[in-house]
Order: sequence, then C-alpha cells, then structure tokens
Amino acid sequence: DTGVSQDPRHKITKRGQNVTFRCDPISEHNRLYWYRQTLGQGPEFLTYFQNEAQLEKSRLLSDRFSAERPKGSFSTLEIQRTEQGDSAMYLCASSAPGQGAWETQYFGPGTRLLVL
Amino acid sequence: DQQVKQNSPSLSVQEGRISILNCDYTNSMFDYFLWYKKYPAEGPTFLISISSIKDKNEDGRFTVFLNKSAKHLSLHIVPSQPGDSAVYFCAASALGDMRFGAGTRLTVKP
Repeated sequence: DTGVSQDPRHKITKRGQNVTFRCDPISEHNRLYWYRQTLGQGPEFLTYFQNEAQLEKSRLLSDRFSAERPKGSFSTLEIQRTEQGDSAMYLCASSAPGQGAWETQYFGPGTRLLVL
Repeated sequence: DQQVKQNSPSLSVQEGRISILNCDYTNSMFDYFLWYKKYPAEGPTFLISISSIKDKNEDGRFTVFLNKSAKHLSLHIVPSQPGDSAVYFCAASALGDMRFGAGTRLTVKP
C-alpha cells in the first residue's frame, strides 16, 4: 500500500451540480478525515470517521456537504448544489489505530474542485 | 478562530544555512504538534511531530522545539537544501482534533 489515494485529482463542474469525491485510506488505518484547503490557508477540518462511524460532522460547511464510509474502508464526500465558493482542494487523511491522542494523520494528494 | 498561527508567510534562506520556521498556538488543550511539508499540487506530507511531554524532537536535519509556557513551537532545518523549498504547515492536536496554521513558504536558494 503506497498511501492515501483520492479520486478524481481534479474536478470542474458547473454551479448547481452535485459532485462526489472518493478517498481510499492506508489499508490498516481505521480513522479517516476530510479537510478543505483554500488558497493561502491551512487545511480546515470537515469531518472524520472511526471505522464506519462518523464521529464528528458538526464542522461540515453546510447541509450540502455529506460524507459516508459504509464499510469502514473507502469514503466518499458529496457536495450537492455546488457554489463557486466551494472551489478548493479537498484533502483526505487517515491514521492508524492505537496511537491514542498522539496520532499522526497521513494525507492523500487531494481533489481540486473548480466550480464555474 | 485562528488557534494556530504562522505569522511569517514566507522565508528565504541560503543553501547550507539554518531555516527556522515558527508557530504559535492559543489553545492550552493542544498536546500534540506536527509539521507538514507541502509541494504544489500534492497533499501535505508528514515531517516531524512532538508531544507535549517533550520540549525537543530531532530527526536527521529536522528538529522541532516546543515551549509550552509561551505556546510556541519552531522547526529548525540544518543544513537547508534547495529540495526543502515548499510550504510548511504547523498543526496542533487535542484528542485528534487537529488545527493548522496558514503555512510558511520556504525558499532555499542555491
């Protein structure tokens, strides 16, 4: 396993369309995180899963954003009715079990979204 | 709320010299601190970390220092190499809730 993978790497869509991004974590990692990064800023936490359970979703940006991890392996992030302000890099990260509070998250290459 | 701040958006150093990147945080609950390096069009790559029970952690050319009383950490790169040119993000974590600074762009000139 070479690391966290994300698909697609780039997405261009028209305003109002729905988009879905996929993340495959490192295989033995049980936690999976989604972040958004805009130009000149650091990654901004959106949500995370421990196995298939979504343990934090209050920081999703709006109810247009949703994420799933149905079998505790890959995850999808969906944005409905996209807006131009959704244009950003969407990053996925995963971490291994057993690290407790001192966990290191490993990031994928990101999906760059452009909403026209 | 900017709980993690990197006040220098950019830093330029000569090859072979020391690079010092700084980071300040406000939340005293943070107990784990990380530095990530990011190249254009790639995701952040983990570089080095330090837990709150330590004040220094070293890995090759990279050393992270933590001053809890000042809520300040720094990353030292010695000697700096042109391949170190990237954006460096500081991150602070409390129970897995990780917050990032805005990044510092390091340029190492040959």
